[in-house]
Amino acid sequence: GNSVTQMEGPVTLSEEAFLTINCTYTATGYPSLFWYVQYPGEGLQLLLKATKADDKGSNKGFEATYRKETTSFHLEKGSVQVSDSAVYFCAPSGGSQGNLIFGKGTKLSVKP
Amino acid sequence: NAGVTQTPKFRVLKTGQSMTLLCAQDMNHEYMYWYRQDPGMGLRLIHYSVGEGTTAKGEVPDGYNVSRLKKQNFLLGLESAAPSQTSVYFCASSLSGPGRGRDYTFGSGTRLTVV
Repeated sequence: GNSVTQMEGPVTLSEEAFLTINCTYTATGYPSLFWYVQYPGEGLQLLLKATKADDKGSNKGFEATYRKETTSFHLEKGSVQVSDSAVYFCAPSGGSQGNLIFGKGTKLSVKP
Repeated sequence: NAGVTQTPKFRVLKTGQSMTLLCAQDMNHEYMYWYRQDPGMGLRLIHYSVGEGTTAKGEVPDGYNVSRLKKQNFLLGLESAAPSQTSVYFCASSLSGPGRGRDYTFGSGTRLTVV
């Protein structure tokens, strides 16, 4: 099955700073790629997704581009806010049971 | 529209006790999943189901059983709880498999402590 490697945290940024969280995957075929976000005490929520090469997923100011040549799906945001403090998970499809494979998560803390 | 509902939200068990976690979805999703989340380990798939009456093992199935008698419900059972099963358990559902961009909808989790 596929696998995913996600940038380890924690990441601490000041408000309005630029954010990048790296995610690379190994895959056979063309997986769909997802980013999920988990706010404290809650379940995971879909942040954005991309289903084919060069697609860009975007939501709430976050973006990620499906890069098949580098097998990457890095998450970016130009100006983070305190409310973006959460744990972010990269997840390609294509697990050995056809499921999503979740990275270990990157905890982001944004200070005012 | 409630989405995915997990009960209970918190539970403390003694070693050797049994319990059942309930997951219910009202979105008519075919696929349902149980994950556990542990610090530094991310989410690991325990069991999953691709339709009513079907179940299959995931990455870490030992010590757990599941049933999907009705399409909307997916039950996770612990027959004899062990401290190693202390974790946060998440249920998720999807319309179909994620390979074509179908995302998961998650419940809010069950925090289980086994003492």
